[in-house]
Amino acid sequence: DGGITQSPKYLFRKEGQNVTLSCEQNLNHDAMYWYRQDPGQGLRLIYYSQIVNDFQKGDIAEGYSVSREKKESFPLTVTSAQKNPTAFYLCASSIAGQVAAEAFFGQGTRLTVV
Amino acid sequence: AQKVTQAQTEISVVEKEDVTLDCVYETRDTTYYLFWYKQPPSGELVFLIRRNSFDEQNEISGRYSWNFQKSTSSFNFTITASQVVDSAVYFCALRNDWNTGNQFYFGTGTSLTVIP
Repeated sequence: DGGITQSPKYLFRKEGQNVTLSCEQNLNHDAMYWYRQDPGQGLRLIYYSQIVNDFQKGDIAEGYSVSREKKESFPLTVTSAQKNPTAFYLCASSIAGQVAAEAFFGQGTRLTVV
Repeated sequence: AQKVTQAQTEISVVEKEDVTLDCVYETRDTTYYLFWYKQPPSGELVFLIRRNSFDEQNEISGRYSWNFQKSTSSFNFTITASQVVDSAVYFCALRNDWNTGNQFYFGTGTSLTVIP
């Protein structure tokens, strides 16, 4: 079945550690997105990519980094510079260049700092 | 600037009641799409409907209906005869050609609880 797979589902990070969240899709989508969800704040865009080897910062990119070496994969690294990383992270993909196309979402990764 | 406002943070209704979730948007673009998503407790957002800016026809799908009014920049979602399975967070989103990233602009969501 086509879809987006995020792993792990739950992740615990110690202070000062970098952690990487995985996002893989087999929908052949060019566009991929990372969102952060906090209670009462909806979805905030961290980074997005419209094509392999290219990505742009979203609204809250500080303390995060991404790579897009393959069309199928868009991993997100939460660095130690992110002061409040505890949140629910959602990865999405969509057809690029078609404003009518909906986004498909993964099941999310819940990151907790311990 | 693009913005989506969902003023209702939380709504509780008793099963079988009708409920309307409000969505108001802002955009300078003339071509745009509006979306509704459902986020059940499992966390994954599920696509419900899209509507383009040139089509103001209301749409009905089973117990769900959507009312799009450009005059008030609103795209409201009504659930008729609500059920416990409708309990979720619902997001309204906007997408347009104005920015090169074709970003989705999401509202803050409305948490719906249907009480049995």
